Amino acid sequence: GDSVTQMEGPVTLSEEAFLTINCTYTATGYPSLFWYVQYPGEGLQLLLKATKADDKGSNKGFEATYRKETTSFHLEKGSVQVSDSAVYFCALKWRALTFGSGTRLQVQP
Amino acid sequence: GAGVSQSPSNKVTEKGKDVELRCDPISGHTALYWYRQSLGQGLEFLIYFQGNSAPDKSGLPSDRFSAERTGGSVSTLTIQRTQQEDSAVYLCASSLAAAGGFGTEAFFGQGTRLTVV
Repeated sequence: GDSVTQMEGPVTLSEEAFLTINCTYTATGYPSLFWYVQYPGEGLQLLLKATKADDKGSNKGFEATYRKETTSFHLEKGSVQVSDSAVYFCALKWRALTFGSGTRLQVQP
Repeated sequence: GAGVSQSPSNKVTEKGKDVELRCDPISGHTALYWYRQSLGQGLEFLIYFQGNSAPDKSGLPSDRFSAERTGGSVSTLTIQRTQQEDSAVYLCASSLAAAGGFGTEAFFGQGTRLTVV
């Protein structure tokens, strides 16, 4: 069945550091790929998405590229801020919506 | 409404009691999902409704859990004879389309925090 594997956290970075959170997937069809973010005390919200191979999703300085050849959708940001501290979930959607286990990011000033 | 609405936002119940959690999806969204998130954990898939198709119940942890979706809109998740391990935040999400493609992002409600004492 479909599955998503993302790097375990927590990830602790200093402000302005470069961020990468790895995500790989297994899917039976041609899924759409997503990153969701959950800020402390808040609900899940969509951060970015990509619907086909080589698409790049971007939002709030975050980017992720749909790589079919490596079945990956790694999340990157060039310069993180304290306000980026949250839990990040990689997800795929073919039929159902399947999530990874989440990666907690803590950015220190 | 503008977003996915869940009620109640918090529920405290005694072990052994039944509970019903409600989800009101975004109008026109044909897909509806239930997930469970335990403290500090990821999202555990429970059940998925898509239009008039038979729901995907593969994630329901036991036969104490059931869900229905009436008229293709509102959904109710029922937990019978609640146990302490059922304590979690129950999240509902809805989306516009079924498989792959454009416009398939899911929108989440704020969740129902269930505490079984």
